[in-house]
Amino acid sequence: SQQGEEDPQALSIQEGENATMNCSYKTSINNLQWYRQNSGRGLVHLILIRSNEREKHSGRLRVTLDTSKKSSSLLITASRAADTASYFCATPYSGGGADGLTFGKGTHLIIQP
Amino acid sequence: DAGVIQSPRHEVTEMGQEVTLRCKPISGHNSLFWYRQTMMRGLELLIYFNNNVPIDDSGMPEDRFSAKMPNASFSTLKIQPSEPRDSAVYFCASSLWQGQMREQYFGPGTRLTVT
Repeated sequence: SQQGEEDPQALSIQEGENATMNCSYKTSINNLQWYRQNSGRGLVHLILIRSNEREKHSGRLRVTLDTSKKSSSLLITASRAADTASYFCATPYSGGGADGLTFGKGTHLIIQP
Repeated sequence: DAGVIQSPRHEVTEMGQEVTLRCKPISGHNSLFWYRQTMMRGLELLIYFNNNVPIDDSGMPEDRFSAKMPNASFSTLKIQPSEPRDSAVYFCASSLWQGQMREQYFGPGTRLTVT
C-alpha cells in the first residue's frame, strides 16, 4: 500500500494568514485527496485531484499536485478560527478500482484568533 | 440525507467480550469502507466492499476481526474476542463508484474502549 506523509506535523498561525501543508507519497497514483478532521469527529472530504491535474481550487482552498516529485500541497487562504483541525492527505490503497484510502499522519493546524 | 450512520457511538467492554459495530451507508452508495484510528498508528483501512462484496480485507489485523455486508444498507464489523489493543475509533465510510474514484463520506465513528 502507499502512504502519504504530511509536513509539518503541526502548524500554528494567526487568523487571516495563509496556511500551507505538504504531502509526499511513495509510488505512482491516479488521484490524491485531502480530508479535514475536527477533534472527535469524522473526516470531511475537501478536494480530490487527479493525476492529470496540476492545480485545483475550492473556495479558500488550493491544492497542487506534482507527480514528478510525488508531492501535493494544500493552501488555505485567509484562515479562520473554524479552520482549526487536522488535515490529511490520502492516496489509493491498492491502486485498483473502487479502492480504499491510505492516510498520512496528518497536519494539526491551529488558528490563533 | 442523514449521512453515514454508525452505532453505537461509544462502546466500553471487557477483554474477551464480543463487540459488534454497525454502519448504515448513504443511500445509493455502492462502496463501503471500515477504518480504524489510533494515536500510534493513525488511520488504517481495515476492509472495503463494493456492491456488498468484500474486495480487500488485507488490513484486518487478525482473525478475531470479521466484517459483513448482508445488503446495500447495512454492514457490521465484529471483534471476537476483544483485547485492550483493539481500543480505537472505528470509522465507516461510503462512496459511489462509477468507474472513477470519488470522495468518501465518513460516519462519526465508534469509540471502542476495551478494558
